[in-house]
Amino acid sequence: GESVGLHLPTLSVQEGDNSIINCAYSNSASDYFIWYKQESGKGPQFIIDIRSNMDKRQGQRVTVLLNKTVKHLSLQIAATQPGDSAVYFCAEWGNDMRFGAGTRLTVKP
Amino acid sequence: GAVVSQHPSWVICKSGTSVKIECRSLDFQATTMFWYRQFPKQSLMLMATSNEGSKATYEQGVEKDKFLINHASLTLSTLTVTSAHPEDSSFYICSAAEAGKGKGEQYFGPGTRLTVT
Repeated sequence: GESVGLHLPTLSVQEGDNSIINCAYSNSASDYFIWYKQESGKGPQFIIDIRSNMDKRQGQRVTVLLNKTVKHLSLQIAATQPGDSAVYFCAEWGNDMRFGAGTRLTVKP
Repeated sequence: GAVVSQHPSWVICKSGTSVKIECRSLDFQATTMFWYRQFPKQSLMLMATSNEGSKATYEQGVEKDKFLINHASLTLSTLTVTSAHPEDSSFYICSAAEAGKGKGEQYFGPGTRLTVT
C-alpha cells in the first residue's frame, strides 16, 4: 500500500547526542531507499541512500540501517548539531518513489 | 550542479482564479519531472509525473483537469492550479531527474507556497 500523510512524530535530542530516526516502509518489493532532510519552507535535500542488497551504509556523521525482514529503515546522526534540526523523510523506490511520514528532529543546545 | 528552481516561491490568489507554478532545471536536462503537494506537518504526496514531450501521469485522486501539467522543454515544467479553492492551499514541490541517471539523482526545487483566499 501507499504511505499516507500523517501528523509528524517528533524527536528531541541534546546537542552532541546521537539521534536515531526510524521509518517503516510499505512495499516489500522496494529496492532502493533514500533519506531526505527538509528544513522549514524548503524542498527536501538528499542525505544518504541504500540499496536493498545492503544492510548498512555510512556517510559523514550519518548511518542508514535497513532491515528488510520487518521493512524498517533507520537514520542515525552522530553528534547531533543544531543545524540538524529539520524534518527527516525516508523514501522508498518500488515502481516509483514514495515518501514516509517524516519525523521532526529538534536539537536542544 | 543539479539545481532546480521554482517560481514563484510563494503566491496568494483569490478563490476561483488560476495560478501557474514553474519548475526549472538550471544546469541539466530534466527528462522527467515530478510534482508533489505537501500539507502542513505532513509528508510529500506525489501528484503527477511528467516526461518531456508527453502527457503527465497523474496519481489516483489527483484531478488532471484541475492541476494542469506541461513539460514542453527539457528544462521547464509548469503546474497550473485552475479555479483554485482554499483547500488547494499547500506547499507545492517539484523535482527533476536526468535521463540515464540513478534513482537517487532526483533533485528537488525549493517549493512554492500557495495560499488561496
